[in-house]
Amino acid sequence: DVKVTQSSRYLVKRTGEKVFLECVQDMDHENMFWYRQDPGLGLRLIYFSYDVKMKEKGDIPEGYSVSREKKERFSLILESASTNQTSMYLCASRTGNNEQFFGPGTRLTVL
Amino acid sequence: RKEVEQDPGPFNVPEGATVAFNCTYSNSASQSFFWYRQDCRKEPKLLMSVYSSGNEDGRFTAQLNRASQYISLLIRDSKLSDSATYLCVVARNDMRFGAGTRLTVKP
Repeated sequence: DVKVTQSSRYLVKRTGEKVFLECVQDMDHENMFWYRQDPGLGLRLIYFSYDVKMKEKGDIPEGYSVSREKKERFSLILESASTNQTSMYLCASRTGNNEQFFGPGTRLTVL
Repeated sequence: RKEVEQDPGPFNVPEGATVAFNCTYSNSASQSFFWYRQDCRKEPKLLMSVYSSGNEDGRFTAQLNRASQYISLLIRDSKLSDSATYLCVVARNDMRFGAGTRLTVKP
């Protein structure tokens, strides 16, 4: 079974802090994704990566950056957390036939 | 306009009912189509892929109309365990999700 893990299930940070969300997959997938999910808005794509050191902006990249130094790891960085970044963050990796597997999510609260 | 639009729901149906969800997408270059299921406080999981010829998996039937850019999911003989949010997904090099349709199946 594909396994996608995220570093934290729950995280509380203060406004202005730098936040790192880590995602690791164990199936050698090339494509990895970061989404945020908010009530009524569904999943919105922040960034995705189709290979090591490659990244593409999604729909809402502002306030976020990403890092893909190793194939199995895709990190989401909030350079200076703000209250409007309070959300559920979901990482996913994708197989060659486009099936996505999600991690359990990180619920981030920014105070 | 959102790239993927779904019935907002919620749908509240009795056990045994047949329920249909609809989804439209705006980018004609979309290549692959899926329905995902998300239980409360859980991550989304693949329910089924959607093919142009239509496909069936037990009580679930998915249809795709590329000309109308329309996707549907039909659930027959609904069970209590079908209660969840159903997400329509379209893929190119990235993957875009609809906001989801909440289904509650009641005894």
